[in-house]
Amino acid sequence: SQQGEEDPQALSIQEGENATMNCSYKTSINNLQWYRQNSGRGLVHLILIRSNEREKHSGRLRVTLDTSKKSSSLLITASRAADTASYFCATALSSNTGKLIFGQGTTLQVKP
Amino acid sequence: SAVISQKPSRDICQRGTSLTIQCQVDSQVTMMFWYRQQPGQSLTLIATANQGSEATYESGFVIDKFPISRPNLTFSTLTVSNLSPEDSSIYLCSVEGWTGDRFQETQYFGPGTRLLVL
Repeated sequence: SQQGEEDPQALSIQEGENATMNCSYKTSINNLQWYRQNSGRGLVHLILIRSNEREKHSGRLRVTLDTSKKSSSLLITASRAADTASYFCATALSSNTGKLIFGQGTTLQVKP
Repeated sequence: SAVISQKPSRDICQRGTSLTIQCQVDSQVTMMFWYRQQPGQSLTLIATANQGSEATYESGFVIDKFPISRPNLTFSTLTVSNLSPEDSSIYLCSVEGWTGDRFQETQYFGPGTRLLVL
Protein backbone atom coordinates (compact mmCIF):
# COMPACT_ATOMS: atom_id res chain seq x y z
CA SER A 1 0.00 0.00 0.00
CA GLN A 2 1.07 3.58 -0.52
CA GLN A 3 3.14 5.24 2.16
CA GLY A 4 1.80 8.62 1.20
CA GLU A 5 -1.76 9.39 0.33
CA GLU A 6 -2.92 12.82 -0.61
CA ASP A 7 -6.24 14.52 -0.66
CA PRO A 8 -7.93 15.96 -2.43
CA GLN A 9 -6.87 14.33 -5.68
CA ALA A 10 -7.99 17.42 -7.55
CA LEU A 11 -8.69 20.97 -6.44
CA SER A 12 -10.04 23.88 -8.44
CA ILE A 13 -10.08 27.39 -6.97
CA GLN A 14 -10.21 31.02 -8.04
CA GLU A 15 -7.15 33.22 -8.13
CA GLY A 16 -6.61 34.86 -4.77
CA GLU A 17 -8.10 32.01 -2.76
CA ASN A 18 -6.10 29.71 -0.52
CA ALA A 19 -5.40 26.08 -1.42
CA THR A 20 -4.85 23.35 1.14
CA MET A 21 -3.53 19.91 0.33
CA ASN A 22 -3.15 17.07 2.80
CA CYS A 23 -0.78 14.14 2.94
CA SER A 24 -0.93 11.08 5.18
CA TYR A 25 1.69 8.41 5.67
CA LYS A 26 2.05 5.12 7.50
CA THR A 27 5.54 4.64 8.95
CA SER A 28 8.04 6.72 10.88
CA ILE A 29 9.81 9.32 8.82
CA ASN A 30 13.02 11.32 8.86
CA ASN A 31 11.54 14.18 6.89
CA LEU A 32 8.74 15.03 4.51
CA GLN A 33 9.24 17.01 1.32
CA TRP A 34 6.74 18.77 -0.93
CA TYR A 35 7.26 19.10 -4.66
CA ARG A 36 5.49 20.79 -7.55
CA GLN A 37 5.31 19.44 -11.09
CA ASN A 38 4.08 21.44 -14.05
CA SER A 39 2.56 19.48 -16.94
CA GLY A 40 4.67 16.32 -16.61
CA ARG A 41 7.96 18.16 -16.39
CA GLY A 42 10.63 17.86 -13.71
CA LEU A 43 9.91 18.23 -10.02
CA VAL A 44 10.51 21.51 -8.28
CA HIS A 45 11.34 21.24 -4.60
CA LEU A 46 9.16 23.44 -2.39
CA ILE A 47 9.78 22.71 1.28
CA LEU A 48 11.41 20.09 3.49
CA ILE A 49 10.11 19.64 7.02
CA ARG A 50 11.93 17.44 9.50
CA SER A 51 10.23 15.01 11.83
CA ASN A 52 10.98 17.22 14.84
CA GLU A 53 9.47 20.31 13.22
CA ARG A 54 5.82 21.26 13.28
CA GLU A 55 5.55 24.13 10.84
CA LYS A 56 7.60 25.84 8.14
CA HIS A 57 7.01 28.79 5.89
CA SER A 58 8.41 29.80 2.55
CA GLY A 59 6.88 32.83 0.89
CA ARG A 60 3.20 32.01 0.27
CA LEU A 61 3.69 28.40 1.32
CA ARG A 62 3.01 27.01 4.78
CA VAL A 63 3.65 23.38 5.65
CA THR A 64 2.60 21.66 8.85
CA LEU A 65 3.57 18.25 10.15
CA ASP A 66 1.76 16.22 12.80
CA THR A 67 3.78 13.08 13.49
CA SER A 68 1.20 11.79 15.99
CA LYS A 69 -1.38 11.72 13.20
CA LYS A 70 1.19 10.91 10.53
CA SER A 71 -0.05 13.74 8.38
CA SER A 72 1.13 16.93 6.73
CA SER A 73 -0.56 19.80 4.97
CA LEU A 74 0.56 22.30 2.38
CA LEU A 75 -1.18 25.66 2.31
CA ILE A 76 -0.74 28.03 -0.61
CA THR A 77 -2.08 31.48 0.21
CA ALA A 78 -3.31 34.07 -2.27
CA SER A 79 -3.07 31.61 -5.14
CA ARG A 80 -2.12 32.64 -8.65
CA ALA A 81 -2.81 31.08 -12.04
CA ALA A 82 0.89 30.17 -12.18
CA ASP A 83 0.36 27.89 -9.16
CA THR A 84 -1.60 25.53 -11.41
CA ALA A 85 0.34 22.26 -11.18
CA SER A 86 0.46 18.88 -9.49
CA TYR A 87 1.73 18.81 -5.93
CA PHE A 88 3.34 15.76 -4.35
CA CYS A 89 4.39 14.94 -0.84
CA ALA A 90 7.30 12.55 -0.39
CA THR A 91 8.46 10.90 2.80
CA ALA A 92 12.01 9.96 3.68
CA LEU A 93 11.92 7.03 6.04
CA SER A 94 13.62 6.96 9.42
CA SER A 95 16.08 4.38 8.10
CA ASN A 96 17.64 7.34 6.29
CA THR A 97 18.46 5.50 3.08
CA GLY A 98 17.58 8.60 1.11
CA LYS A 99 14.74 6.81 -0.64
CA LEU A 100 11.58 8.88 -1.05
CA ILE A 101 8.10 7.44 -1.16
CA PHE A 102 5.68 9.66 -3.02
CA GLY A 103 2.01 10.29 -2.47
CA GLN A 104 -0.40 10.15 -5.38
CA GLY A 105 -0.44 13.90 -5.70
CA THR A 106 -3.00 16.69 -5.83
CA THR A 107 -3.77 18.41 -9.10
CA LEU A 108 -4.43 22.09 -8.45
CA GLN A 109 -6.13 24.35 -10.95
CA VAL A 110 -6.19 28.06 -10.22
CA LYS A 111 -8.64 29.94 -12.42
CA PRO A 112 -7.82 33.54 -13.32
CA SER B 1 21.31 23.21 -4.89
CA ALA B 2 22.77 20.75 -7.37
CA VAL B 3 22.20 21.31 -11.07
CA ILE B 4 21.09 18.10 -12.74
CA SER B 5 20.79 17.42 -16.45
CA GLN B 6 19.36 14.44 -18.27
CA LYS B 7 19.80 13.23 -21.82
CA PRO B 8 17.76 12.72 -23.87
CA SER B 9 14.89 14.94 -22.77
CA ARG B 10 12.51 12.80 -24.77
CA ASP B 11 12.56 9.90 -27.20
CA ILE B 12 10.29 7.69 -29.22
CA CYS B 13 11.44 4.09 -29.48
CA GLN B 14 10.29 0.92 -31.13
CA ARG B 15 9.33 -2.06 -29.02
CA GLY B 16 12.14 -4.53 -28.44
CA THR B 17 14.85 -1.89 -28.51
CA SER B 18 16.61 -0.25 -25.55
CA LEU B 19 17.11 3.32 -24.40
CA THR B 20 19.93 4.59 -22.24
CA ILE B 21 19.31 7.73 -20.22
CA GLN B 22 22.15 9.80 -18.83
CA CYS B 23 22.11 11.84 -15.64
CA GLN B 24 24.84 14.40 -15.00
CA VAL B 25 25.28 16.44 -11.80
CA ASP B 26 27.38 19.58 -11.54
CA SER B 27 29.00 18.46 -8.28
CA GLN B 28 29.88 15.22 -6.55
CA VAL B 29 27.01 13.74 -4.56
CA THR B 30 26.84 10.62 -2.49
CA MET B 31 23.36 9.40 -3.42
CA MET B 32 21.72 9.12 -6.81
CA PHE B 33 18.34 7.59 -7.53
CA TRP B 34 16.20 6.68 -10.52
CA TYR B 35 12.42 7.05 -10.52
CA ARG B 36 9.69 6.21 -12.98
CA GLN B 37 6.49 8.17 -13.44
CA GLN B 38 3.88 6.41 -15.51
CA PRO B 39 1.26 8.50 -17.32
CA GLY B 40 -1.01 10.27 -14.86
CA GLN B 41 0.68 8.59 -11.91
CA SER B 42 3.04 9.50 -9.11
CA LEU B 43 6.73 8.68 -8.91
CA THR B 44 8.01 5.22 -8.05
CA LEU B 45 11.59 4.53 -7.07
CA ILE B 46 13.35 2.11 -9.42
CA ALA B 47 16.73 1.85 -7.74
CA THR B 48 19.54 3.53 -5.86
CA ALA B 49 22.60 3.98 -8.07
CA ASN B 50 25.68 3.03 -6.07
CA GLN B 51 29.05 4.36 -7.08
CA GLY B 52 31.41 1.55 -8.01
CA SER B 53 28.99 -1.26 -7.24
CA GLU B 54 25.72 -2.77 -8.36
CA ALA B 55 22.57 -0.71 -7.98
CA THR B 56 20.04 -1.52 -5.27
CA TYR B 57 16.67 -2.27 -6.86
CA GLU B 58 13.22 -1.83 -5.39
CA SER B 59 10.62 -4.55 -5.41
CA GLY B 60 9.26 -5.07 -8.90
CA PHE B 61 12.35 -3.80 -10.70
CA VAL B 62 15.18 -6.04 -11.90
CA ILE B 63 18.65 -5.46 -13.22
CA ASP B 64 18.04 -7.25 -16.51
CA LYS B 65 15.28 -4.82 -17.40
CA PHE B 66 16.78 -1.67 -15.85
CA PRO B 67 20.59 -1.92 -15.82
CA ILE B 68 22.18 1.04 -14.06
CA SER B 69 25.73 2.29 -14.04
CA ARG B 70 27.38 4.84 -11.79
CA PRO B 71 31.05 5.12 -12.65
CA ASN B 72 31.67 8.20 -10.50
CA LEU B 73 29.99 10.63 -8.09
CA THR B 74 28.61 12.94 -10.79
CA PHE B 75 27.22 10.61 -13.44
CA SER B 76 24.81 7.72 -13.82
CA THR B 77 22.96 5.94 -16.61
CA LEU B 78 19.71 4.02 -16.64
CA THR B 79 18.96 1.65 -19.51
CA VAL B 80 15.42 0.50 -20.14
CA SER B 81 15.77 -2.77 -22.04
CA ASN B 82 13.52 -4.73 -24.36
CA LEU B 83 11.04 -1.90 -24.55
CA SER B 84 7.31 -2.41 -24.60
CA PRO B 85 4.52 0.19 -24.70
CA GLU B 86 4.10 -0.30 -20.92
CA ASP B 87 7.52 1.30 -20.46
CA SER B 88 6.21 4.60 -21.78
CA SER B 89 6.86 6.91 -18.83
CA ILE B 90 8.90 9.79 -17.56
CA TYR B 91 12.19 8.66 -16.03
CA LEU B 92 13.81 10.98 -13.49
CA CYS B 93 17.11 10.92 -11.66
CA SER B 94 17.60 12.59 -8.31
CA VAL B 95 20.45 13.36 -5.94
CA GLU B 96 20.92 13.79 -2.22
CA GLY B 97 23.60 13.57 0.41
CA TRP B 98 27.13 14.82 0.83
CA THR B 99 28.34 17.37 -1.68
CA GLY B 100 31.94 18.00 -0.81
CA ASP B 101 31.89 18.80 2.90
CA ARG B 102 28.27 19.86 2.95
CA PHE B 103 25.32 17.59 3.62
CA GLN B 104 22.31 18.22 1.43
CA GLU B 105 19.18 16.78 2.96
CA THR B 106 16.87 17.94 0.20
CA GLN B 107 16.49 15.59 -2.75
CA TYR B 108 16.70 17.37 -6.10
CA PHE B 109 15.41 16.02 -9.36
CA GLY B 110 16.55 16.23 -12.93
CA PRO B 111 14.18 17.50 -15.64
CA GLY B 112 13.17 13.97 -16.63
CA THR B 113 13.26 11.93 -19.83
CA ARG B 114 9.93 11.35 -21.51
CA LEU B 115 9.85 7.98 -23.27
CA LEU B 116 7.20 6.82 -25.70
CA VAL B 117 7.35 3.24 -26.93
CA LEU B 118 5.47 2.37 -30.10
